[in-house]
Amino acid sequence: GNSVTQMEGPVTLSEEAFLTINCTYTATGYPSLFWYVQYPGEGLQLLLKATKADDKGSNKGFEATYRKETTSFHLEKGSVQVSDSAVYFCALKTGANSKLTFGKGITLSVRP
Amino acid sequence: EPEVTQTPSHQVTQMGQEVILRCVPISNHLYFYWYRQILGQKVEFLVSFYNNEISEKSEIFDDQFSVERPDGSNFTLKIRSTKLEDSAMYFCASRGTMNTGELFFGEGSRLTVL
Repeated sequence: GNSVTQMEGPVTLSEEAFLTINCTYTATGYPSLFWYVQYPGEGLQLLLKATKADDKGSNKGFEATYRKETTSFHLEKGSVQVSDSAVYFCALKTGANSKLTFGKGITLSVRP
Repeated sequence: EPEVTQTPSHQVTQMGQEVILRCVPISNHLYFYWYRQILGQKVEFLVSFYNNEISEKSEIFDDQFSVERPDGSNFTLKIRSTKLEDSAMYFCASRGTMNTGELFFGEGSRLTVL
């Protein structure tokens, strides 16, 4: 079956630090990969996605590259801000079914 | 910007009691979902709903669970007789006709079963 594994958290960084959040997956077929973010008091919202191998998704300074050879979709940002403090979820979807399979999520706190 | 809203934000109930969690999806969306996250665990799919019927459900979604779209705006999840292990954050989500993989989530309803 499908599964997503995220690195254990929480993660605390200082403002302007480099961020990497690891995500690996197991899937049948050729999944689409997603990062969702949940800011305090809000619902999960799509941050970025990639639909095929070697695609790079990007949004708000965040990037993630679909690596089929390592079955990974790590999230990176060169310089985090306090406003990036949130919970980040990696997810995948296979086929026409839009059911998403999520990881646990990881809490990021950015200090001024 | 349209959003998915959920009520209540937090509910505390006694084991064995019935609970109804409510969601108002985005108004022109046609596909509806419930997910849950037990503390410290993954976000898990419960059920998807389209055209007034369940289109898919997980093994978690047993006879104790039901969903309903009682009118043109609400989408509800009912747990008939709550158990301690039902304590979780429940997320409602919706999407339009384009199957891009993007779901629009509410902020969640935290259920605590004592």
